[in-house]
Amino acid sequence: KQEVTQIPAALSVPEGENLVLNCSFTDSAIYNLQWFRQDPGKGLTSLLLIQSSQREQTSGRLNASLDKSSGRSTLYIAASQPGDSATYLCAWMDSSYKLIFGSGTRLLVRP
Amino acid sequence: GAGVSQSPSNKVTEKGKDVELRCDPISGHTALYWYRQSLGQGLEFLIYFQGNSAPDKSGLPSDRFSAERTGGSVSTLTIQRTQQEDSAVYLCASSLGGPGETQYFGPGTRLLVL
Repeated sequence: KQEVTQIPAALSVPEGENLVLNCSFTDSAIYNLQWFRQDPGKGLTSLLLIQSSQREQTSGRLNASLDKSSGRSTLYIAASQPGDSATYLCAWMDSSYKLIFGSGTRLLVRP
Repeated sequence: GAGVSQSPSNKVTEKGKDVELRCDPISGHTALYWYRQSLGQGLEFLIYFQGNSAPDKSGLPSDRFSAERTGGSVSTLTIQRTQQEDSAVYLCASSLGGPGETQYFGPGTRLLVL
């Protein structure tokens, strides 16, 4: 069964901290891997997309890495802000173009 | 520019009734996707369209679920004879080109089956 595991399930940090969210997946034959954020009652916002041939992607204070051999991806958030509070979802796309989502990490950044 | 829109935003229906959910993708986006997010569960892929064609319908939970897309634009997800377990948030997304590109999500339709 294709699975995505995200650790930790929840995280509370003071403003300004750097933090790492972890994602592991069971199938190395991924098409791409994506990180999303979901705010309460809203849809998903795409943060970063890493193609299978890439190792990392960066956008502002966000950096995502991909290691297919170990089946892992990490999302690094630098200098966290209260506005970063949300649920962060990792999803990998298989060869039939299905996105398989993890259960998410709920992040709270305290002022 | 306008993002992905979905209607209705909320739908309450009685068990056994049919419901139709609508998705308007971003103009010019060729690929469109439907997902379901049930309470306490993760996001579940349902179906994707490339143009008007759905190459893989195996993600639909049962034969009560169907989806279509016309004119390479609007898509409808229909659930017949709704059951309580169908209660969930149904999310639609679109991407400009193929499915490997960034997907832009709509706000979702919150369905409650009583």
